[in-house]
Amino acid sequence: AQSVTQLGSHVSVSEGALVLLRCNYSSSVPPYLFWYVQYPNQGLQLLLKYTSAATLVKGINGFEAEFKKSETSFHLTKPSAHMSDAAEYFCAVSWGYQKVTFGTGTKLQVIP
Amino acid sequence: DTGVSQNPRHKITKRGQNVTFRCDPISEHNRLYWYRQTLGQGPEFLTYFQNEAQLEKSRLLSDRFSAERPKGSFSTLEIQRTEQGDSAMYLCASSSRKEPDQPQHFGDGTRLSIL
Repeated sequence: AQSVTQLGSHVSVSEGALVLLRCNYSSSVPPYLFWYVQYPNQGLQLLLKYTSAATLVKGINGFEAEFKKSETSFHLTKPSAHMSDAAEYFCAVSWGYQKVTFGTGTKLQVIP
Repeated sequence: DTGVSQNPRHKITKRGQNVTFRCDPISEHNRLYWYRQTLGQGPEFLTYFQNEAQLEKSRLLSDRFSAERPKGSFSTLEIQRTEQGDSAMYLCASSSRKEPDQPQHFGDGTRLSIL
C-alpha cells in the first residue's frame, strides 16, 4: 500500500530563511506526487505536482520540489520564507485519477 | 471556474442525529471524491465517483455512511446515527480527465461537530 511520511509535524523558520519540508514515499513505482497547502478552516490548495516530466518541479508562491527516486523523496523548498507561507503542508501520492494518499502534514510557522 | 463548493460549512448536531452534506464539483468534472480529515491528521479517502457510478469505497465508510451522485453532478454524503468519532472536516474534491494529469481540486470542507 502506498504511504507517505512527512518528517516533522512542526517546522519554524525565520522570515527570509530557507524553507525545507521533508517527504518520503513508499512505492515500488514512482507514482504521482503532490504538495498541497491548507490554511486554517479551508480546503487544500495544490502547490505543485510531479508526474515524471521533470525531477525538479516548480509550483506556485515560489515553492519547488525535487523528486529523487534513489531516496524515494520529494522534499518541498522555498528560498525565502514569507509570513503568508504560514500554513499546514501535506505531501501526497496517487495513481493518476484514483484516490490521493496524504501524509500527516507539517505545520510551518514563520517567525518575523 | 467557480471551484468546488461545499455546504454547509459548519454543522453542529447531537449524537444520534442524521446529517447530510452537499458537494458541487467544478462544472464538467467527471470524478468526485470524499475525504475525511480529523484534527492533526491528513485527509483520508472515503469514496469516489466517476460520473454517477461509485467506484471505490474505503473501509472507513461504515454502514452508517452513504454517498450518492445521482445525476453525475453534485454529490451528497449522509451520516446516520452520528457518533462522537464522526466529528471531523469532510472534504470534497473533483477532477477532470480533460485536465493534464487530472489533479484533484478541493472544496473548503464541511466541519462536523457532534455534541
